[in-house]
Amino acid sequence: DAGVIQSPRHEVTEMGQEVTLRCKPISGHDYLFWYRQTMMRGLELLIYFNNNVPIDDSGMPEDRFSAKMPNASFSTLKIQPSEPRDSAVYFCASSLPLAPLGEQFFGPGTRLTVL
Amino acid sequence: EDQVTQSPEALRLQEGESSSLNCSYTVSGLRGLFWYRQDPGKGPEFLFTLYSAGEEKEKERLKATLTKKESFLHITAPKPEDSATYLCAVRPNDYKLSFGAGTTVTVRA
Repeated sequence: DAGVIQSPRHEVTEMGQEVTLRCKPISGHDYLFWYRQTMMRGLELLIYFNNNVPIDDSGMPEDRFSAKMPNASFSTLKIQPSEPRDSAVYFCASSLPLAPLGEQFFGPGTRLTVL
Repeated sequence: EDQVTQSPEALRLQEGESSSLNCSYTVSGLRGLFWYRQDPGKGPEFLFTLYSAGEEKEKERLKATLTKKESFLHITAPKPEDSATYLCAVRPNDYKLSFGAGTTVTVRA
């Protein structure tokens, strides 16, 4: 299996622009998670989905952030408008619902820089 | 609120010099404590899950243990390839994970 796939790997944009991050989870995984990692705040959960349905979005920082999962093999995280404080590495992860070890498999991340 | 505190922040070891990393936690109900390894520029990679106090898991030079308030990750006779950031996370009562800030381990040859 190719693992969790994220694109783009790097994104540089200007303040006020719309940014869309993409994720393809591992086939057969019913749970999908979006995380943000910064030096100051570490790794934070933004939102997670089960069977394409958002379950908990309490970590989404504000209305500028939105996430969708139109089908089992694709999810997007959108920031509109972007701000410099959104600069971070964004990770997508997926997991099986009854995984014995409960582990989540992380993608390589998208490094976002907002100028 | 769930809290996960890792110490030390950084650890520099000589090859072969064994040491331990600490993860202390405060959580309302624990449904798993997780250890991940993260290499620079990559996503976290799963290592272990511990579910109950007294449980231990081993993988190569790594051994994780769990008590009611903390977990330790012991690195025995480390090699340079063990250099990474080690992240601890707790899962209180659903599929959400709360991560600590991590311990960055550097092993010198």
